[in-house]
This record gives sequence, C-alpha cells and structure tokens, in this order.
Amino acid sequence: DAGVIQSPRHEVTEMGQEVTLRCKPISGHNSLFWYRQTMMRGLELLIYFNNNVPIDDSGMPEDRFSAKMPNASFSTLKIQPSEPRDSAVYFCASSLRGGLSTNEKLFFGSGTQLSVL
Amino acid sequence: KQEVTQIPAALSVPEGENLVLNCSFTDSAIYNLQWFRQDPGKGLTSLLLIQSSQREQTSGRLNASLDKSSGRSTLYIAASQPGDSATYLCAVFYGQNFVFGPGTRLSVLP
Repeated sequence: DAGVIQSPRHEVTEMGQEVTLRCKPISGHNSLFWYRQTMMRGLELLIYFNNNVPIDDSGMPEDRFSAKMPNASFSTLKIQPSEPRDSAVYFCASSLRGGLSTNEKLFFGSGTQLSVL
Repeated sequence: KQEVTQIPAALSVPEGENLVLNCSFTDSAIYNLQWFRQDPGKGLTSLLLIQSSQREQTSGRLNASLDKSSGRSTLYIAASQPGDSATYLCAVFYGQNFVFGPGTRLSVLP
C-alpha cells in the first residue's frame, strides 16, 4: 500500500484566499484524522472521522475551517478565508478499525506545509 | 482532561550512550501507547506500539515500557547513533482518539 497520501506538499497563499488540503487514507482504514503542527502548540487534533462521519470536531479552531469526507478514500480540509496564523504543517492520519482495539495503530501522511502571507 | 507530557523537551548525548525518554499520561484508561519518530520536515513514523495489557515491546535497539497504573511509559534507546537524531513523540490511544505528547528532540553527536 502507498500509505496515507496528502497533497499538496507545500502551499503558499495570500491572506484571504481559500486553501484546500487533500488526503487519501490507507485503503480499508475506517478512521481518518486531521492534525496541525506548530512549534508553539505541537501536534493538535483538528477533527476525526469514523466511517466517513465526523466524530469530534472540537479541535477545529473556528468557522473558517471545515472538513469533509465524501467517501472512504478521500477527505479535504478547507480554510476560507486563510490568515497568516494558519501557517503550519497539516497532517492527515488513518487507522484501521476506528476504535476500541488495543492494537489500533496510527499511520501518518507526509504533511502539507502551509504558508499564508 | 486527557493530557500527555514528555520529558526532557530536548536531549543531546554523545554517540554510543544509552538513553531514556519519558512519557506521562493523566488518564490511565488507555487502549495502547505508541512511540513515533519525526525527522525535520517529515511525517511521523511509528516505532513501537504497546497494548494496554503489555508491559514492554522491543524492536532492535529500542525498548518501550508501559506502567499503566502510574501513567508512565519510557523509550530506551541502546547504543545511540547520529542517525537516531530526531524528535520522538508518544501518543496514547483512548479508544477513539489519540492524544499526543509535545515530543523530545534528540541530538546524538558523533
């Protein structure tokens, strides 16, 4: 399997523009997670899906952020409008069963480096 | 609140030393704990997973232990090498969500 695939790897945009980050989880995985990583705050969970349904979006910073998972093989994280403080690395991760398993393992994509000027 | 902390925040050692990284968690109702490695500008790579019923796991020069009752895990790296230089993060799985620690930045000097 190719692993978790994220695109783009790098995104540079101007303040106020819409940004869309994309993620393809590992085939067969039932859970998908979006994280944001910054030097100041470390790795923060934004939202996670189980069987394409959003389970917890309490980590989404504000209404400018939205995430969708229209099917089991694709998810997007959108920021509209973007602001300089959104600059960070955004990671997507997936896991197999989606919960209640002591053997549940998390697999990460390579991340999207977002810079908002 | 489920919180995960890691000490030290940074560590610098000469090549060949054995070292220990620490991870603590406030809620002991865990399903498992994972240790990850992150190289600069890269994603997170899973190193070891310890299930809640296990006490330790080993992979090569890495050994991770788990003490659920005290809310602690340690990652032991034997005979450290410059290639071990990276940030090491622990993550606790609580049945649906994973809670991450802030990481320990390790530098192994040749």
